[in-house]
Amino acid sequence: AIRMTQSPSSLSASTGDRVTITCRASQGISSYLAWYQQKPGKAPKLLIYAASTLQSGVPSRFSGSGSGTDFTLTISCLQSEDFATYYCQQYYSYPRTFGQGTRLEIK
Amino acid sequence: QVQLVQSGSELKKPGASVKVSCKASGYTFTSYAMNWVRQAPGQGLEWMGWINTNTGNPTYAQGFTGRFVFSLDTSVSTAYLQISSLKAEDTAVYYCARDVLAVVPGDAFDIWGQGTMVTVSS
Repeated sequence: AIRMTQSPSSLSASTGDRVTITCRASQGISSYLAWYQQKPGKAPKLLIYAASTLQSGVPSRFSGSGSGTDFTLTISCLQSEDFATYYCQQYYSYPRTFGQGTRLEIK
Repeated sequence: QVQLVQSGSELKKPGASVKVSCKASGYTFTSYAMNWVRQAPGQGLEWMGWINTNTGNPTYAQGFTGRFVFSLDTSVSTAYLQISSLKAEDTAVYYCARDVLAVVPGDAFDIWGQGTMVTVSS
């Protein structure tokens, strides 16, 4: 199975900050990577697919980049509603695997 | 609108069985695979496997064989997850999530159910 490793595991930031979360795959996955946002008590929400394509309706302050084994999710100007947990997921091969999550907290 | 609506929370005793439903609406059910994802309390997301809604063929991730069964009723656009011989460690939220069937190697999970909390306790 492909292992997905996110860093950091948690992050404190303030409204207006720019933050970056990284995700590393244990083997190459081309651009078959998605990012999800999950708020407490809610289902995950797809933010980005194909490593850098914004899902319809997702604010443009979210962006993704990378290919192969190294990927990043950037939030350019944090809003209050962005404080949540973020997961990366590869869909290059089975089993599908998620990163362990990055909890983004208010500083 | 496109949505997946899951059945409500369940409280079960160890050794019992539970069946979670996931009803799709707003799209052609058989054009999308259905995945199941588990989230234990305070933990991350764990992919359990998926079912091909065209053929009914299920694929289970390691650790989800034997007691876990995926099934379908295409006449009502509904996928099911059945767990038998429940254990305390099965306590979790279970999500269904769709992805496009005819894409290789696959696609992201664009629509998720709201989740079903299954609690196993004596």
